[in-house]
Formats: sequence, structure tokens, C-alpha cells
Amino acid sequence: RKEVEQDPGPFNVPEGATVAFNCTYSNSASQSFFWYRQDCRKEPKLLMSVYSSGNEDGRFTAQLNRASQYISLLIRDSKLSDSATYLCAVNEDNDMRFGAGTRLTVKP
Amino acid sequence: DGGITQSPKYLFRKEGQNVTLSCEQNLNHDAMYWYRQDPGQGLRLIYYSQIVNDFQKGDIAEGYSVSREKKESFPLTVTSAQKNPTAFYLCASSIVQGWTEAFFGQGTRLTVV
Repeated sequence: RKEVEQDPGPFNVPEGATVAFNCTYSNSASQSFFWYRQDCRKEPKLLMSVYSSGNEDGRFTAQLNRASQYISLLIRDSKLSDSATYLCAVNEDNDMRFGAGTRLTVKP
Repeated sequence: DGGITQSPKYLFRKEGQNVTLSCEQNLNHDAMYWYRQDPGQGLRLIYYSQIVNDFQKGDIAEGYSVSREKKESFPLTVTSAQKNPTAFYLCASSIVQGWTEAFFGQGTRLTVV
């Protein structure tokens, strides 16, 4: 069983749409959680950390559900520039594990 | 500027040759990681190190070796035992304690010819 699982997509949405990604993790001892964005042939870059109380950064909202062991990312009012692959990451005792990524394409 | 530097950006290797990928960070991070990414795939952990002179195998360590002689350096050697080495290799680092997000280098694209 994979430790961190994501819906691979692809998600193809029109500009202005709201899109949500989920990510499940298997290790209940996991300590910290993140969403990364990766553009084609580039390195992943941190999008946002995920806190227990949920957190928001502009059009992006991240949530953590420890009981069900999943994290989510909500993107509102999608822009063309949001097109990328979104990776969730789970850190347990500094063994950082990534999901396979969800590919998002925002179309005009 | 603080950051992680990987070199070279592109690397070509003949079959049967060992090759070493460089990763240097000046962020004073204790933990460093090597990942492999294949086209359309996620990141798979090769090795990680939480402290100088110590490292642990990840999920796909076979055919790879690492060293951590200095805090800022974590080179990865792709040996001839790695049967399918063509991939995108990413090095990352993070602070050991607390909410420790990982920061990545720009990656090395290795092609076996």
C-alpha cells in the first residue's frame, strides 16, 4: 500500500472554476503536511503548509483531517497560471514522502 | 542567496559507468534527501540523511550510494548496478525539528546513452 496517495487526475477546468484535490496518508504518526506545485520539467516548490486548523492563502485553502488521514487543497477562481502538477507531502520524523501528484490544466 | 544547488543540470552517461550527482546547500539544514522522478510519476525516495555521517535507505536505494561527510553536501552516486538510471533526480533539504518543509534544488536530468 502506498504511503501517500493522490487522485492523479488530470483535472481539466475552465478559468474561474473551483477545484479540489485530496491526498490520503497511511501513517497516523505523520507530523506535518504540505502542498507543493511542480511545473513541467522543474523542481517542486512549496505552495503551502497544512495546519490542523486549516489555512488559507488567497485563492488557496488547505485542510487537514487527522481522523480520516487526509489533506485537501481547494483552489478558487482558477487562473491559467494555476496549470501545474500539485503534490502533497507528508513528513514523519523527517522521512518526507510525496504523493504522485495531481495534474491540473486550466483552460480559457 | 541561500539555497540548494545541484549540478550538473543535464548529464549523459554511458551504460556501465558510475556517475556522481552533486548537491550543496547553504541553508544550514540538517536533513537532506534524494528523490528520483520518472516522466509522469511522483517522487520516490532514494536516500535521506538527518545528520552528518549518517544516512538511511529510502524506497529505491538499490544501485545508488550516498555520503554525508559535510553538513552542506550530500552527493549521490548512480552506479552501474542501477538498471534503469535515466530519470530526473531531485535533491532536497529541511530543518530537522518542527514543521519542516523541504526545499528543492533545480534537479539533474540524467540520460544513459
